[in-house]
Amino acid sequence: DTEVTQTPKHLVMGMTNKKSLKCEQHMGHRAMYWYKQKAKKPPELMFVYSYEKLSINESVPSRFSPECPNSSLLNLHLHALQPEDSALYLCASSRGGLASSGNTIYFGEGSWLTVV
Amino acid sequence: KQEVTQIPAALSVPEGENLVLNCSFTDSAIYNLQWFRQDPGKGLTSLLLIQSSQREQTSGRLNASLDKSSGRSTLYIAASQPGDSATYLCAVRRGGNQFYFGTGTSLTVIP
Repeated sequence: DTEVTQTPKHLVMGMTNKKSLKCEQHMGHRAMYWYKQKAKKPPELMFVYSYEKLSINESVPSRFSPECPNSSLLNLHLHALQPEDSALYLCASSRGGLASSGNTIYFGEGSWLTVV
Repeated sequence: KQEVTQIPAALSVPEGENLVLNCSFTDSAIYNLQWFRQDPGKGLTSLLLIQSSQREQTSGRLNASLDKSSGRSTLYIAASQPGDSATYLCAVRRGGNQFYFGTGTSLTVIP
């Protein structure tokens, strides 16, 4: 099983709403990621969790709040977003570990977010 | 910061043609390089992973090469098919689980 599952697939939210995106993997991976992708652009790294601890935050605004409740789950809490935050949000996972040079990174299908 | 560029940005070829996609990166201190395809509105599917110590990897009609010293990788697709139409992305991995993506090549294979 090389599956990363993301829910919901589509989300429309107002600028005052609070919502969450969820991601799950059961491959025993210890590194999990959030990427943001705008139309016709490559994915941009937002956050990396390694062994359930936040290891990378690419200067993401605080209206995006990640959470890693356990090694299989990754959430992205959304609050007071702007219309320009509308994008495809991709979750990914890999085996993890600093010396794991052979890691393949696996992606979910993404959650389409529209902020109105 | 690592800059990853892909050329060309878009490519249209007739079915059956062999083609090469290019990926260049500015910092040669990478752990590995991975090629992905992305269909419209979908997530990314991993195609090939080349470790920093390797020169190339093959899977079916796909062959990827890596020249770390010059900061380049190529993805060779043999006998292209309409089903190969997608956006192809390369990503380089630095330490600390940082993966950085290239700008992508949009491929259209015409039947």
